[in-house]
Amino acid sequence: ETGVTQSPTHLIKTRGQQVTLRCSSQSGHNTVSWYQQALGQGPQFIFQYYREEENGRGNFPPRFSGLQFPNYSSELNVNALELDDSALYLCASSSPGTGFDNEQFFGPGTRLTVL
Amino acid sequence: GESVGLHLPTLSVQEGDNSIINCAYSNSASDYFIWYKQESGKGPQFIIDIRSNMDKRQGQRVTVLLNKTVKHLSLQIAATQPGDSAVYFCAELIGGGYQKVTFGTGTKLQVIP
Repeated sequence: ETGVTQSPTHLIKTRGQQVTLRCSSQSGHNTVSWYQQALGQGPQFIFQYYREEENGRGNFPPRFSGLQFPNYSSELNVNALELDDSALYLCASSSPGTGFDNEQFFGPGTRLTVL
Repeated sequence: GESVGLHLPTLSVQEGDNSIINCAYSNSASDYFIWYKQESGKGPQFIIDIRSNMDKRQGQRVTVLLNKTVKHLSLQIAATQPGDSAVYFCAELIGGGYQKVTFGTGTKLQVIP
């Protein structure tokens, strides 16, 4: 069973640029959630995708957007990057309704630095 | 690896002793409470959860206690091992529609060999 993978591992961008982060969910999982984790803080929920539709969103502006593909992999896109967007971006996959509803499996994250 | 434990409360425990990590929560509407472990350079790892209508749940070497009266959650780790060194987060989940998990401020556990 393959775990959650994310790419790239590290990324450096400049303010105003756009970035796309990628996530491959664990085999059999149809739900992907994205989180932003600033240094020294807990992860903050960005949004969740279920069967290619966004079905929940946290307190993040519209320049944070996402996609989920038929194979349940996912992308996080951030436009007009700001310095405060520098963080570790985590994706987590899960499969609600299987009896392990609350167990989200996290990837190792993508460290984004905005200069 | 990168550190996720900067400026976090730290608990230092001797190897073999029991550890107790505490968490206060604010949302009475939460359906579940979850504990995660995050090692340096890795994503959070699910440890154990507890439904809001329960007071106690036990797993392998871990016990979670929930006190709804004072909105307090604790994680007890028995016979703490060096591999338990990590940042521990409590989190709240409100179900219904989608899984929004709200993480609290973490606690860094340092196990002294």
